[in-house]
Amino acid sequence: GESVGLHLPTLSVQEGDNSIINCAYSNSASDYFIWYKQESGKGPQFIIDIRSNMDKRQGQRVTVLLNKTVKHLSLQIAATQPGDSAVYFCAENNAGANSKLTFGKGITLSVRP
Amino acid sequence: GAGVSQTPSNKVTEKGKYVELRCDPISGHTALYWYRQSLGQGPEFLIYFQGTGAADDSGLPNDRFFAVRPEGSVSTLKIQRTERGDSAVYLCASSVGADGTQYFGPGTRLTVL
Repeated sequence: GESVGLHLPTLSVQEGDNSIINCAYSNSASDYFIWYKQESGKGPQFIIDIRSNMDKRQGQRVTVLLNKTVKHLSLQIAATQPGDSAVYFCAENNAGANSKLTFGKGITLSVRP
Repeated sequence: GAGVSQTPSNKVTEKGKYVELRCDPISGHTALYWYRQSLGQGPEFLIYFQGTGAADDSGLPNDRFFAVRPEGSVSTLKIQRTERGDSAVYLCASSVGADGTQYFGPGTRLTVL
């Protein structure tokens, strides 16, 4: 698989490979982090979340890793499929800030058949 | 069950006109959020309701923007004297409580000519 930071907006992977999407967040007070997937013409779709008292959480084919020391979040997608092609956003939330989410810029994941 | 719904899906208006955008949250969700998404960017927070009251309206860009949620369910985002710069996708999200997972609707694409 390949990894990319938010400074590179597009990630291209071969179908079946693992994908790693990285995100650097800015607010050290953030205590809740979410990954959303957005397909063209649709609203963001919840993928997985993690709270600051954890450093790893697994879902179906997806894993989120949180490193609070360096304020870094990553999304790992196992066995990437064509249906995974979309824009992926990380979002952070500070529960003390009335629950509004602050979104990163987004990364386009393109899956090659 | 049904997700968040938004109407209309597309709205084209002329500069200076008034528009209303509607959001129907997931049944039972007490928290409702409005975000705005410009092309190639992540969603940006506008306003957050807890029940009928606006708990945080710090994201509204100016006094031409106003939102209501009179019965604690459906919400309407109102934009007066629209400007071309208001063109964007307006997204609504709802959650069970203030720090619950936010689920997004499909958005309303507003185009101001």
